[in-house]
Amino acid sequence: EPEVTQTPSHQVTQMGQEVILRCVPISNHLYFYWYRQILGQKVEFLVSFYNNEISEKSEIFDDQFSVERPDGSNFTLKIRSTKLEDSAMYFCASSEYSSEYEQYFGPGTRLTVT
Amino acid sequence: QKEVEQNSGPLSVPEGAIASLNCTYSDRVSQSFFWYRQYSGKSPELIMSIYSNGDKEDGRFTAQLNKASQYVSLLIRDSQPSDSATYLCAVKPDYKLSFGAGTTVTVRA
Repeated sequence: EPEVTQTPSHQVTQMGQEVILRCVPISNHLYFYWYRQILGQKVEFLVSFYNNEISEKSEIFDDQFSVERPDGSNFTLKIRSTKLEDSAMYFCASSEYSSEYEQYFGPGTRLTVT
Repeated sequence: QKEVEQNSGPLSVPEGAIASLNCTYSDRVSQSFFWYRQYSGKSPELIMSIYSNGDKEDGRFTAQLNKASQYVSLLIRDSQPSDSATYLCAVKPDYKLSFGAGTTVTVRA
């Protein structure tokens, strides 16, 4: 069964460093998303991406964040200058034809900023 | 006002019993509703989607939607120890999913 994959599973970085989190969405899916979950808190939306552009972003997704689909399979989230409060699980998700369809989540990347 | 609210839990049920989970949402334009299961340290796993008023059954799971009351519920019949997890209600008013804080269910053997 097709699934969303994410790498790395765990990333440790120092405050102020740049990190890139990678995702491979399900192959026939057209809509891509990033969410994050701080330990003990609810899952929060960051950004949605369709047709090579951002379709919606949350207040969390400020200028230090960016997303890119560098090729036909990868979808990346870049955090330019990490802060301690960026420590969280980051989940990539994808959905099939339109924004109303189910979203399927990858296993997540645990980002630890020290 | 929180967008999606769930009964706080934790909910403890004996094996074989019915677990009942509730969720209310504030955005009336929402048309898509989902239940995800999340095991500790893992990602959300989709278990049910519902788009129309009424009930939708899938195996041991039944989702119920009442848009007039802005209410979604999930019933887990014949609960098993493997059902022990946090259940997330998610509502989709636009592109994004808005999640509730989740209800933790523990099934006692």
